Amino acid sequence: GENVEQHPSTLSVQEGDSAVIKCTYSDSASNYFPWYKQELGKGPQLIIDIRSNVGEKKDQRIAVTLNKTAKHFSLHITETQPEDSAVYFCAASIKAGGTSYGKLTFGQGTILTVHP
Amino acid sequence: DAGVTQSPTHLIKTRGQHVTLRCSPISGHKSVSWYQQVLGQGPQFIFQYYEKEERGRGNFPDRFSARQFPNYSSELNVNALLLGDSALYLCASSPREDQPQHFGDGTRLSIL
Repeated sequence: GENVEQHPSTLSVQEGDSAVIKCTYSDSASNYFPWYKQELGKGPQLIIDIRSNVGEKKDQRIAVTLNKTAKHFSLHITETQPEDSAVYFCAASIKAGGTSYGKLTFGQGTILTVHP
Repeated sequence: DAGVTQSPTHLIKTRGQHVTLRCSPISGHKSVSWYQQVLGQGPQFIFQYYEKEERGRGNFPDRFSARQFPNYSSELNVNALLLGDSALYLCASSPREDQPQHFGDGTRLSIL
């Protein structure tokens, strides 16, 4: 089955700096890659996603890049703010017919701390 | 609009008991998925339901079961609870099974 590795496990940055979180996946059939932000006591919140037919997607301070050949994708947060502090998860799934449609396989998470 | 709602928010059970967790999807969403999140780890897929049919099952024992009702709400049932079942149980919904999933805040299950 699919396996998703996420690095680093913890990331500490100063306010205003950029943060980058990287994930690799094992199943070349995976073609949908969402990123979630989870705050303490809350469920994961979808912040951005990308499908395999594009290489990059941006939404204000957040961007995701995808390298299908190398089977890795990354989350980039620019101009970080203290409220960006949270646990971030990458995930992968296969968007195709069959029972794996909605099955997200998550990475282990990255604890991001933004210091004022 | 209301997001995904889950009940109860917290639950304490003892080994061997059974538990039922409930999920109401976002209005208009027909797909519901269940995940287990152990402390310090990413969520693990348990089930997906779409239009009341099971569409996917993760690597969990038969003690775990679920169903989806005509109003698209869902229940997750766990029998013969073990200490290792202690976790945050998350429900996610999406309009269709191939669309982005939105999570509720989960049910924190503690087994004594």
